[in-house]
Formats: sequence, structure tokens, C-alpha cells
Amino acid sequence: EDKVVQSPLSLVVHEGDTVTLNCSYEVTNFRSLLWYKQEKKAPTFLFMLTSSGIEKKSGRLSSILDKKELFSILNITATQTGDSAVYLCAVRRNTDKLIFGTGTRLQVFP
Amino acid sequence: NAGVTQTPKFRVLKTGQSMTLLCAQDMNHEYMYWYRQDPGMGLRLIHYSVGEGTTAKGEVPDGYNVSRLKKQNFLLGLESAAPSQTSVYFCASSVAGAGNEQFFGPGTRLTVL
Repeated sequence: EDKVVQSPLSLVVHEGDTVTLNCSYEVTNFRSLLWYKQEKKAPTFLFMLTSSGIEKKSGRLSSILDKKELFSILNITATQTGDSAVYLCAVRRNTDKLIFGTGTRLQVFP
Repeated sequence: NAGVTQTPKFRVLKTGQSMTLLCAQDMNHEYMYWYRQDPGMGLRLIHYSVGEGTTAKGEVPDGYNVSRLKKQNFLLGLESAAPSQTSVYFCASSVAGAGNEQFFGPGTRLTVL
């Protein structure tokens, strides 16, 4: 059965810390992996990864995919309180559907 | 552009009642999706559509029906609501295929008593 597992489930840090969120997957016919940020309501898109070893970067956020070891990481440097959210990882197989992980809840305190 | 909108934002139903959730997008997207989000379960796909007049089952379709009569609208129906359908429902749309960025609506919180 296809699955996407995120760790840790929850993380509490102070502003300025660097965090690493993990997403591992067991999915047949893998096509791409996506990261979303969910604050109070709708998830918003962060990154889409299709190739191993190529880092995607946006400001303080970066992500990389390892297709051999079947995982991705999302790094956030110099965290701010506005980074507090649930971060979702999703994997696309060779279909039109995404399989989501349960998310990592990040809380950043001043 | 409003993006993806959902109606209503909140609803409380009694067991056995029916209702329809409306999703509308103004981005001319071909693909639309309905998800439910429950604590500890992540987002699970209920039904989706790859174009006007087409629908397909997702991961958890039982108890739900959908229709895509117009490209911009995707309706999710509950014919006979059950407490297990208490959840937050999200609609999403994308240009073409789930591998592209999906734009999500603000969600509908549904409680079935």
C-alpha cells in the first residue's frame, strides 16, 4: 500500500533556530513530491520536486529529494513566528492523484 | 481573481440529512478535487474531476457524490450524512494533473450530529 510518512509529528523551536522536516514515501510509479504550508485554513504550495539532488530554494526555505532512499527534507533557517504552521508533504504517482502525509506541526516561539 | 471559493464555510447537520458543498474557481483550471481532512489522517482525496462532465473516485469516495456540470464548479453531495463525515472539506484545482500546483479553497467545516 502506498504511504507517505512525515516526521516529526510536532516540533517546538525558538525564533532563529533552524529546523529540518522529513518526508519518506513508499509509492509505486513515483512522479513528484510536493510540499505545502497550512496555517489556519487552506494549504499553500511551497515546492515541487521531481529530480534527486537538486535543491529548491525560496528565501529561508529549501527542499531536496532523494529518490534512491525515498525521502525529502524541508529546511527552514532563521525561523520566525510566521513560520508556525502545519507542513504537508504529498507524493504524486503516475496518476492524477496526490497522497498526503499527516503533516508536521511547527510552532515557533519568540 | 477570487481563486478557489467554497460555500458554505460552516454547517451543522443531523444524521440522515443531505447537503451539497459548492466549490468554484475562476482560474480556468481543468482539474478539480475534493479532500477531507481529519486529525491525524492528513488530507484524503474523496473525488476528483479532470474536466467538465467527468468525475472519478479518490481514496475515500463512499457516502459522497460529485458533479462537474460547468468547468468552474465542482459540487460535493452528501445524500445521508453520518457522524463519520464530520470533517473539514477542502476543494482544490490545478491547471493539469496533480503533479502541478494545486490551489486550495478555504475549507468547509462540517459537523454531523
